[in-house]
Amino acid sequence: GQNIDQPTEMTATEGAIVQINCTYQTSGFNGLFWYQQHAGEAPTFLSYNVLDGLEEKGRFSSFLSRSKGYSYLLLKELQMKDSASYLCAVRPRGGSTLGRLYFGRGTQLTVWP
Amino acid sequence: GAGVSQSPSNKVTEKGKDVELRCDPISGHTALYWYRQSLGQGLEFLIYFQGNSAPDKSGLPSDRFSAERTGGSVSTLTIQRTQQEDSAVYLCASSLADRSNQPQHFGDGTRLSIL
Repeated sequence: GQNIDQPTEMTATEGAIVQINCTYQTSGFNGLFWYQQHAGEAPTFLSYNVLDGLEEKGRFSSFLSRSKGYSYLLLKELQMKDSASYLCAVRPRGGSTLGRLYFGRGTQLTVWP
Repeated sequence: GAGVSQSPSNKVTEKGKDVELRCDPISGHTALYWYRQSLGQGLEFLIYFQGNSAPDKSGLPSDRFSAERTGGSVSTLTIQRTQQEDSAVYLCASSLADRSNQPQHFGDGTRLSIL
């Protein structure tokens, strides 16, 4: 089966740094995505990792370790608008599940002033 | 607009009625996906289209659920004889191609409430 775990909730203060972890166990691996979802809105794409290491994109960075089945999303210089749910999603390798993403339940981040 | 468009944005209906949800993907995107999101749950995959064909429909929860895509563009998800457990937000996504590194771009979803 497929299993994607991430913390349910996190809080942080404006200007701080927060790390949201995601662990996964899937049938094969063909990439990991992070999405941001504000309440009542569509998930929006943040980052993609398929090789081990850190991908940096402005205030957001994402890390992947395939051997450990582990990823994190790092948010720097937090702003109030970063309060949202952050979704970790894994794309399995080919076969009958080609195309789909498996999502974790999301981490609700609240940024306090 | 340039994004994925879904309609209606909200739908309230009585148990036992049929509903149709529509998705208009980003122009030129050949891959289209349906997911649903229940309160406190992760996004649950329903079906995937490549062009007009559905290589993977294994996520459809029962035979009351069906979907089609015509002209390689608009898709319709139909739920027959709705049940209360069908209440959820139904999200549609599209991607440029079915490549592993292509992100899926989501619409705002249809919030379905079954009374």
